[in-house]
This record gives sequence, C-alpha cells and structure tokens, in this order.
Amino acid sequence: QVQLQESGPGLVKPSETLSLTCTVSGGSVSGFYWSWIRQPPGKGPEWIGYIHYSGNTNYNPSLKSRVTISVDTSKNQFSLKLSSVTAADTAVYYCARGDGYSYVWGQGTLVTVSS
Amino acid sequence: EIVLTQSPGTLSLSPGERATLSCRASQSVSSSYLAWYQQKPGQAPRLLIYGASSRATGIPDRFSGSGSGTDFTLTISRLEPEDFAVYYCQQYDSSPRTFGQGTKVEIK
Repeated sequence: QVQLQESGPGLVKPSETLSLTCTVSGGSVSGFYWSWIRQPPGKGPEWIGYIHYSGNTNYNPSLKSRVTISVDTSKNQFSLKLSSVTAADTAVYYCARGDGYSYVWGQGTLVTVSS
Repeated sequence: EIVLTQSPGTLSLSPGERATLSCRASQSVSSSYLAWYQQKPGQAPRLLIYGASSRATGIPDRFSGSGSGTDFTLTISRLEPEDFAVYYCQQYDSSPRTFGQGTKVEIK
C-alpha cells in the first residue's frame, strides 16, 4: 500500500525558509493530487495547499504569498517551501494524498521555528 | 472561507456508551463534501467518514456520519476503549479546505 514519509530540518530560524519533502513509496505520484497540512501544538489541522502531479497548485490564501508546492515525478516526491517563517509556523507538518479528504497520510514531522 | 464549529469541546463518556459529535458549518457544504477524522496523540489523523456518511475502508460500523447543508453529526454507537481520542470534521467543498477545532472524547 502507498506510504508517505516527510523529511527535512526540524529546526528553522525566523525569517528563513522551511523546506520539506514527501517521498511516496508503494505507489506513484502520477495520477493523483498531493497535499500539505500542518497542525500547531494543541490545535486543529490547517490545510496549506495541494498539487496535482501535472503541476497545478491550489494554496490557502492565508499562506499563499509564502508557499510553494512542487512535484518531482522522476523521484516520486513532492515538496513544500514556506518562506519568511515566524514562531507561528511551528507545527507538525503532514503530507497526504488527495485534494479533498485524505485517506493516506505521512507520520508527520515537527518543525520548530526558533533562533 | 467556511468555518466549521464543533461541539462539544469535550465529551466525557464511559465505554459502551453512545457518542454524538456535532459539526456546524458557517455556510452550506454542497454535495456533502464533509469528512471526519480520528486523531490519537502522536499520530496522524485517521479518515473515518467522507461524503458526510460513507465509511472509509476498514472503519468499524459503530462509526456513522449523517447530515447535510450546515449541520453534520458523527455518531459512535458503543464506545470501545480505543475510540477515546480527538475527532475533527473537515470540509472539502470549497477552497481553502478547513477543519473544525476538534472534539475530545475522554473516559469518564
């Protein structure tokens, strides 16, 4: 079955860019939509955006000016970049399959923004 | 943006009891594009229900979803020990996708 694994730095300095990658195993990125979702400590999830394997994207307007989601079909991966981070961006970041509800999720990775 | 409000914030029940969780949307969610998730500490959310009332693969039939428009309900017919967790609703009718703030089902 399809499995997702997030990877990237667990600590990012304020004003820098957060970069995460989601590796898809047991299946292909082709043919599907792929999402990033984050969850601040003790709070509910927040949808960041999604990308179609063709490259079409849709972002949360609250983050749109700082977010870039990309896909690399040759590596079976998709990625998240969030620029100009602040402490408010500290959260567990999840990758997931789908553009609506998500049945397949990664385990999540905690990213802390701190100097 | 569709705001989802879940109630109650916390539900204190005993194993074997029935749990009824509410999710109210700030505007109509067309085509019942509403999902429910269960989340346990340190784990990713687990999809329970999509399309307001369709159970995801492998979800026991004690979980059921209902509702339409702006009012949706998740019912757990008889709580098992493993059901004590936080539950979130999510709409995927419009962008941005949004989640409720969650209902914690705790052991009484």
